[in-house]
Amino acid sequence: SQQGEEDPQALSIQEGENATMNCSYKTSINNLQWYRQNSGRGLVHLILIRSNEREKHSGRLRVTLDTSKKSSSLLITASRAADTASYFCATALQSYKLSFGAGTTVTVRA
Amino acid sequence: GAGVSQSPSNKVTEKGKDVELRCDPISGHTALYWYRQSLGQGLEFLIYFQGNSAPDKSGLPSDRFSAERTGGSVSTLTIQRTQQEDSAVYLCASSFGTGYAEQYFGPGTRLTVT
Repeated sequence: SQQGEEDPQALSIQEGENATMNCSYKTSINNLQWYRQNSGRGLVHLILIRSNEREKHSGRLRVTLDTSKKSSSLLITASRAADTASYFCATALQSYKLSFGAGTTVTVRA
Repeated sequence: GAGVSQSPSNKVTEKGKDVELRCDPISGHTALYWYRQSLGQGLEFLIYFQGNSAPDKSGLPSDRFSAERTGGSVSTLTIQRTQQEDSAVYLCASSFGTGYAEQYFGPGTRLTVT
């Protein structure tokens, strides 16, 4: 069963705009990871945020984590055409087994 | 260094045939994972290896699926007597240890069973 649920399912934005997507999960976590997938192939690891962290940055990415609400958000600032992809959050059901949400499909229009 | 590699990238097979999918993890990564991504099912965990042993095979869908890992490196996922519902993208990942580590994924093998 899936632990995480992303919202929205799809997002279309203009190049240069910001994109925000959310992830909700059901059980306590050790960490939460965000991945990007282009064209239905391999997943690219974007960022890992631990349960004792509230915010983390990596380049144009900002991730927040609210363990009291069991939710996380991923913000992509100043979006580019190359950011067009599906984005997934993942939590570990056990220390090794990741459970992924259904993903948010982001389309960046030129 | 090189990332996780998988072969073949695409495989089309007839129903009832056996297939083997290969994964080469990142050098030095002790843990290796197989996931499957299919329409309507999302990404699901299949099996993981710590070294050459597989402590958790609970995600394998049926006894037609098996996997092995040799030399603490390359892994092969074998599907016997393939069925159309086996059509999916099979993704391999590796990590340095487990313990909630970051998992690095390969490009996947797209399997189509006709």
